[in-house]
Amino acid sequence: QVQLHESGPGLVKPSETLSLTCTVSGDSIIGSYWSWIRQPPGKGLEWIGYIYYNGSTNYSPSLKSRVTISIHTSKNQFSLKLSFVTAADTAFYYCARGSAAAVYWGQGILVTVSS
Amino acid sequence: QSVLTQPPSASGAPGQRVTISCSASSSNIASNTVNWYQHLPGTAPKLLIYSDNQRPSGVPDRFSGSKSGTSASLAISGLQSEDEADYYCSGWDDSLNGPVFGGGTKLTVL
Repeated sequence: QVQLHESGPGLVKPSETLSLTCTVSGDSIIGSYWSWIRQPPGKGLEWIGYIYYNGSTNYSPSLKSRVTISIHTSKNQFSLKLSFVTAADTAFYYCARGSAAAVYWGQGILVTVSS
Repeated sequence: QSVLTQPPSASGAPGQRVTISCSASSSNIASNTVNWYQHLPGTAPKLLIYSDNQRPSGVPDRFSGSKSGTSASLAISGLQSEDEADYYCSGWDDSLNGPVFGGGTKLTVL
């Protein structure tokens, strides 16, 4: 059974860098696309970006200047870094397998940006 | 503002059939297939429909999808209380080379 689990700090200070890791179990990270999606409180889903197992990436234009997604095949993990965060980056962050239709998602992690 | 437009809310009584629409505002999205997700906030979204009308394994056939031109629809028949959730359509934007989501529709089971 494929499972994804997000981990990282639940509280980040403004102007700092948000860092999250998605650990994949039940499936190899090799051979697939892996995505990050977020949902601000009371708002809809927003695509952040995706990475292929070979390291190639594509990011949402609205976040591109602040986002880095990387992959760690030996650990079966991929990660998200979002720099210079503001309160507008407060959201549930989800990792998922795939770039378009995603069957497998993590449960999500709430990250609050506050001093 | 989402490039995929959904009604903010929908409702129906148990046992009824409801439909949720999703309209694409640009041709580079309209030319691609549509997916539908069911989401309870704070939980993992669940893929209900992919490629316009395909159901992943385990999704009841009460859920069906269709698409015509620039509009897609999700139909839920035999409405149940556990269907109360947010529903999102998503499509592929060729200009982004990435997915886009509709604004979501909150379904209330009366």
